[in-house]
Amino acid sequence: DQQVKQNSPSLSVQEGRISILNCDYTNSMFDYFLWYKKYPAEGPTFLISISSIKDKNEDGRFTVFLNKSAKHLSLHIVPSQPGDSAVYFCAARTNYGGSQGNLIFGKGTKLSVKP
Amino acid sequence: ETGVTQTPRHLVMGMTNKKSLKCEQHLGHNAMYWYKQSAKKPLELMFVYSLEERVENNSVPSRFSPECPNSSHLFLHLHTLQPEDSALYLCASSQGRGAAYEQYFGPGTRLTVT
Repeated sequence: DQQVKQNSPSLSVQEGRISILNCDYTNSMFDYFLWYKKYPAEGPTFLISISSIKDKNEDGRFTVFLNKSAKHLSLHIVPSQPGDSAVYFCAARTNYGGSQGNLIFGKGTKLSVKP
Repeated sequence: ETGVTQTPRHLVMGMTNKKSLKCEQHLGHNAMYWYKQSAKKPLELMFVYSLEERVENNSVPSRFSPECPNSSHLFLHLHTLQPEDSALYLCASSQGRGAAYEQYFGPGTRLTVT
């Protein structure tokens, strides 16, 4: 059973508008959440993260919001640029036990930003 | 440039072949990982090595055999694979295993089993 879910396989946004990518999780023991971006023929690259003790983290055009009660996080990209077109993976991990640090990934959302 | 390289980038092999995937990290990290990404599935963690010791094997079939000869190199030896093993195999490394340590990924090896 999937612990990290990205229910939208794809998203199309106009350049300059906001992109919102969503992620839901089921394991309340996750204490760290990350977003990775992947271009074709490349490996995923780290984008932004948030600790479970926070509800918002911002880095330039990228902001991640965490709603622990809803077990939901979202990535906002504003303004969106054509170069942001990629597959975005949500990931979560725990900092306890034998599985510490292991990343659990969602299936990804393919973002297309139209000029 | 992520500092993690993988060779080969593409591999086609028959079910009776034996091949190896290679990963090398130039970041001074001491944890390395193998992931599998199948079509329409999330990335799945296969193996974790920390300080050259295998610390996790995520119920991976024995036809996949990892090897970590030193902290910079990681191999995945393949033998008698099945067509359903066709996937993108990604290597990653991190400074440590705790949640504070980011994982850096290589570009992956696209494996096709015929």
